[in-house]
Amino acid sequence: AQSVTQLDSQVPVFEEAPVELRCNYSSSVSVYLFWYVQYPNQGLQLLLKYLSGSTLVKGINGFEAEFNKSQTSFHLRKPSVHISDTAEYFCAVSDARDDKIIFGKGTRLHILP
Amino acid sequence: NAGVTQTPKFRILKIGQSMTLQCTQDMNHNYMYWYRQDPGMGLKLIYYSVGAGITDKGEVPNGYNVSRSTTEDFPLRLELAAPSQTSVYFCASTPGTHYEQYFGPGTRLTVT
Repeated sequence: AQSVTQLDSQVPVFEEAPVELRCNYSSSVSVYLFWYVQYPNQGLQLLLKYLSGSTLVKGINGFEAEFNKSQTSFHLRKPSVHISDTAEYFCAVSDARDDKIIFGKGTRLHILP
Repeated sequence: NAGVTQTPKFRILKIGQSMTLQCTQDMNHNYMYWYRQDPGMGLKLIYYSVGAGITDKGEVPNGYNVSRSTTEDFPLRLELAAPSQTSVYFCASTPGTHYEQYFGPGTRLTVT
């Protein structure tokens, strides 16, 4: 069965600095990978997804993620964060055999002024 | 399109009471899901459905029941509420597992 590990529960970063949120997954078959964002008191919304093709995926709000099959990782990056990026970020995985999507425990991004 | 709607937004229940959390989507999606979110624990899948008349258990189904009589509606029933069911509940829908999941705004439930 697939699983997702988000290595950091919280990440503090200064405004305009770069950030990387780490995500590792395990699955024995081809996977679909997602990053979702949850702003305070809201539901989740999709940032980006990887289905196949180019390993570098660009999403909304300047975020991007790179699929690395050998390291089973799908880390999320942004070159310069803004105070409005304060939110919780969830990595998720599904595969072609399953009807479910598995979410990681989330990483809370704190933007420091 | 309204997307995924959930009612109520907030609810306080006494231990042992029952209630139904409503979820409706207007996107004609076959797949629907119920999650609960507890601080620091991410999203845990309670039940899911791949189409009308079909439901299946997720990771944490105990104390809950669901039905899916139409494509649009996927209500979650809590019987004999317990304090451990205090949580934020999210409903989501999608055309398929390699598509985006669309989430409702959530229901914040407190059981005291």
